[in-house]
Formats: sequence, C-alpha cells, structure tokens
Amino acid sequence: DAGVIQSPRHEVTEMGQEVTLRCKPISGHNSLFWYRQTMMRGLELLIYFNNNVPIDDSGMPEDRFSAKMPNASFSTLKIQPSEPRDSAVYFCASSSEDRVVNEQFFGPGTRLTVL
Amino acid sequence: DAKTTQPNSMESNEEEPVHLPCNHSTISGTDYIHWYRQLPSQGPEYVIHGLTSNVNNRMASLAIAEDRKSSTLILHRATLRDAAVYYCILRGGGYQKVTFGIGTKLQVIP
Repeated sequence: DAGVIQSPRHEVTEMGQEVTLRCKPISGHNSLFWYRQTMMRGLELLIYFNNNVPIDDSGMPEDRFSAKMPNASFSTLKIQPSEPRDSAVYFCASSSEDRVVNEQFFGPGTRLTVL
Repeated sequence: DAKTTQPNSMESNEEEPVHLPCNHSTISGTDYIHWYRQLPSQGPEYVIHGLTSNVNNRMASLAIAEDRKSSTLILHRATLRDAAVYYCILRGGGYQKVTFGIGTKLQVIP
C-alpha cells in the first residue's frame, strides 16, 4: 500500500485566496483525521471522520475551515478565505477501527504558506 | 483525554540506550499507552503501545509502571535516525481522538 497520500505537498498562496488540501487514506481504513501543526501549538486535531461521517469537528478553528469526505477514498480540507495565521503543516491520518490497537497512519503533510 | 507529561528535550550518544519518560497520573483503567515519533519533515509514525505489561517490538520497548501512572520508552541502541520528537499518548476505547502534546525532542550525538 502507498500509505496516506496528501496533495499538494507545498502550497503558497496570498491572503484571501481559497485553499484546498486533499487526502487519500489507506484503502480499507474507515477513520480519517485532519491535523494542523505549528511551532506554537504543536499538533492539533481539527476534525475526525468515521465511515465518511464527521464525528468531531470541535478542533476546526472557525467557519473559514471546512472539511468533506464524499467517499471512503478521498477527503478535502478547505480554507476560505485564507489568512497568514493559517500557515502551518496540515497532516491527514487514517486508521481502521476493526483493529484493537487502532494506530493512526499519517501522510507526509502539506506545508501551507499564506502571504 | 487524560494528560501526559514529558520532558521537552533529551540527548543521547549514538549506540547508547535511551529512556524516554512519560507521566500519566490520571490514566484510566481502559487507557492504552501509545508512543509515536515524528522524524524531521515527516508525519508522526506509530512506535509501540501497551496496557499493563511491558512490551517489545522491533523498534523499541515500553516499560509500564505497576500503578500505570508512568511509562518509559526504551530505545536499546540509539542511532542518528532515531533523532525525532517522541509523543506519549493515552488512547481509550471508542472514539479515537488523540491529543498530541509537545513531546520530547530527542537529539542523538554522534
């Protein structure tokens, strides 16, 4: 398996623009997570999907952020409009609830820079 | 989620053992102790987990205190590739929300 795939790997945009980050989880995994990592706040959970349904979005910072999972093999995280304080590395992770351990497998991340 | 406490940073000489401590005094009876690590410019990766007994795998060993209020991740022979941030996390059953703290940044000195 190729692991969790994220695109793009790097994104540079200007303040006010819409940004869309994409994630393909590991095949067969039924849980998907979006995280944001910054130096100041560390790794924060933004949203958790189970079987394509958003279960916990309490970490989504504000209405400018939205996430979707239209099917088991694809998810998006959208920021509209983007702001400089959104600059961070965004990770997607997936796991399988069928296993007792349920370890999360992380993608390589998308480094977002908002100018 | 119950909270964990780790030192911000540690150093180790290459090829020596490393003991990374984690305190979790509010752990509940059903919480598993998980360790992840994050290599530079990569996403976190799973290392090991345990409930009550000590655990070994190809990457590391996990020693869990008898009262489960603390645990130690043991790297038996540190290599330069082990330089990373190590996160100690508690995972209960059901919903899988994981809270990553700041972790311990391990520096391996050649």
